[in-house]
Amino acid sequence: RKEVEQDPGPFNVPEGATVAFNCTYSNSASQSFFWYRQDCRKEPKLLMSVYSSGNEDGRFTAQLNRASQYISLLIRDSKLSDSATYLCVVPASGGSYIPTFGRGTSLIVHP
Amino acid sequence: GAVVSQHPSRVICKSGTSVKIECRSLDFQATTMFWYRQFPKQSLMLMATSNEGSKATYEQGVEKDKFLINHASLTLSTLTVTSAHPEDSSFYICSARKGALDEQYFGPGTRLTVT
Repeated sequence: RKEVEQDPGPFNVPEGATVAFNCTYSNSASQSFFWYRQDCRKEPKLLMSVYSSGNEDGRFTAQLNRASQYISLLIRDSKLSDSATYLCVVPASGGSYIPTFGRGTSLIVHP
Repeated sequence: GAVVSQHPSRVICKSGTSVKIECRSLDFQATTMFWYRQFPKQSLMLMATSNEGSKATYEQGVEKDKFLINHASLTLSTLTVTSAHPEDSSFYICSARKGALDEQYFGPGTRLTVT
């Protein structure tokens, strides 16, 4: 299994829809998890940090399932501006905690 | 969120010249900074990890003599692309992190074009 895996998509959803992405990770000792969004030709921007079971911020909810080793990102009431690539990041445990990125999931929200 | 600046945002240089890119954490002290490269429609690729006061750790396949990294202080890291070639043209992005389990904050990136 790759260290961090994401379905590349694209996920094509209408405005107002609810969409969820999963990210699986291989290192069971990982302690922190992050979701970033990256717009085309821009740098990644932090969307959410997850340290325990989950986190919620407005329309965005992240959940961590340690038993199955995945984190999910749920976006409710999708907006056109949510169209982006969503990156899952899991720092490797031990030593320097090098962040490992998933390949990203592309989301396209259409009118 | 924390702010990371990167300069220059865009640079065009001739083949064989060197280019220096600066990365600064503006409102926090970064124990670790990372340098990434991203080609169009591809994933971010980690080039090296830089800790203040120590030598950078390069990922496999990244030439340390070509991509010189200096982490002079807890708020500044520089990447110098030496003897640049057209294949070095890419989007270079730095990030900074306070502690090992903390989130990274990314600079806005530098688009390098080597002619």
